[in-house]
Amino acid sequence: AQTVTQSQPEMSVQEAETVTLSCTYDTSESDYYLFWYKQPPSRQMILVIRQEAYKQQNATENRFSVNFQKAAKSFSLKISDSQLGDAAMYFCAYRGPQAGTALIFGKGTTLSVSS
Amino acid sequence: DAGVTQSPTHLIKTRGQQVTLRCSPKSGHDTVSWYQQALGQGPQFIFQYYEEEERQRGNFPDRFSGHQFPNYSSELNVNALLLGDSALYLCASSSRWTGGMNTEAFFGQGTRLTVV
Repeated sequence: AQTVTQSQPEMSVQEAETVTLSCTYDTSESDYYLFWYKQPPSRQMILVIRQEAYKQQNATENRFSVNFQKAAKSFSLKISDSQLGDAAMYFCAYRGPQAGTALIFGKGTTLSVSS
Repeated sequence: DAGVTQSPTHLIKTRGQQVTLRCSPKSGHDTVSWYQQALGQGPQFIFQYYEEEERQRGNFPDRFSGHQFPNYSSELNVNALLLGDSALYLCASSSRWTGGMNTEAFFGQGTRLTVV
């Protein structure tokens, strides 16, 4: 069975600084997708970034980028130029190759941003 | 586009009662998944519906059941409620068709269920 592990329950960063959230996963599949979701106090899960396992290039979305290490089964999220609005719970999630199938989530990392 | 909508937003039920939660998927999506998120934890997959049938199920007892309607909306039913069923229930919709397009799941704001 696939598992996702986030080893940092809480992280903090100053505005305008950079922070990296860690995620490791375990799977025997060669084709899969990885995601980072943000969940603010409003509760709605918002997709931050996604990575297809078959792509060697790391995904980027504006201030958000990932470091995908397939052999090490590692998928970290880097947030650059942190903003107060980035404060939220961040979840790493795994999904198999078939669209629409179950997401497997880690336990999350609470990110706080100070001014 | 209204996105994924869930109702109600909050609900308080008594142990032993039954509850029904509702979800309307994002326009163009045909697959609905339900997740249970306990306080301070990551969401846990309950089950998924596609073409009005349960296609995949997580490690949840039979007290948890669901339904998908022809318009792709879905219901989650929980019977014989336990205190431990208190959680945020999230609905996510997606499309089975890949076609090179984005296939990620979009989530609703959830229903906060409290069992007393």
